[in-house]
Amino acid sequence: KAGVTQTPRYLIKTRGQQVTLSCSPISGHRSVSWYQQTPGQGLQFLFEYFSETQRNKGNFPGRFSGRQFSNSRSEMNVSTLELGDSALYLCASSLGNVYNSPLHFGNGTRLTVT
Amino acid sequence: KQEVTQIPAALSVPEGENLVLNCSFTDSAIYNLQWFRQDPGKGLTSLLLIQSSQREQTSGRLNASLDKSSGRSTLYIAASQPGDSATYLCAVRPGNNDMRFGAGTRLTVKP
Repeated sequence: KAGVTQTPRYLIKTRGQQVTLSCSPISGHRSVSWYQQTPGQGLQFLFEYFSETQRNKGNFPGRFSGRQFSNSRSEMNVSTLELGDSALYLCASSLGNVYNSPLHFGNGTRLTVT
Repeated sequence: KQEVTQIPAALSVPEGENLVLNCSFTDSAIYNLQWFRQDPGKGLTSLLLIQSSQREQTSGRLNASLDKSSGRSTLYIAASQPGDSATYLCAVRPGNNDMRFGAGTRLTVKP
């Protein structure tokens, strides 16, 4: 079974630009969640989608948004990029049961904002 | 607000040693607790998930325990190997579903 796939693997953008990251979950998984990982703040939850609906949202500004499609694939968008948005963005998928569904992570997209 | 703490931040042990990693959390209202490992430049690999109603889970040389009342979990690694070298993170899924991660313990197993 194929794992979680994130594209692109690396991105370099300029301040003020916007960026879209993509995540393809494991087949059959209906939940996709996104995380930002930085050396200073560690892993922080961005949002979670289940069956195309946002189920939860972390404490990030409105510049960070996401969506999930009917095939469970998900995209994350960051508008008006800031230098502080440089991070590893990780996507995880699961079957969706909040009690017993482990998260399966992709290898992430490394975003550098200059 | 749920806070997750992992101690120690780094640990170096000789091969073959048994070791324990610690995770503590401030709010016992959780759905589950998960342990992950992360290799440099990679995503997280799920190791064990303990549901809130469970006390422990085992997989091979790994054993994780959960004590919700005291807000603690431990990950026990038996007979450590150099391939176990990685950063180990614990995460809790609180009642409001906002996943919270610890900062991780960086483990080095020396041959």
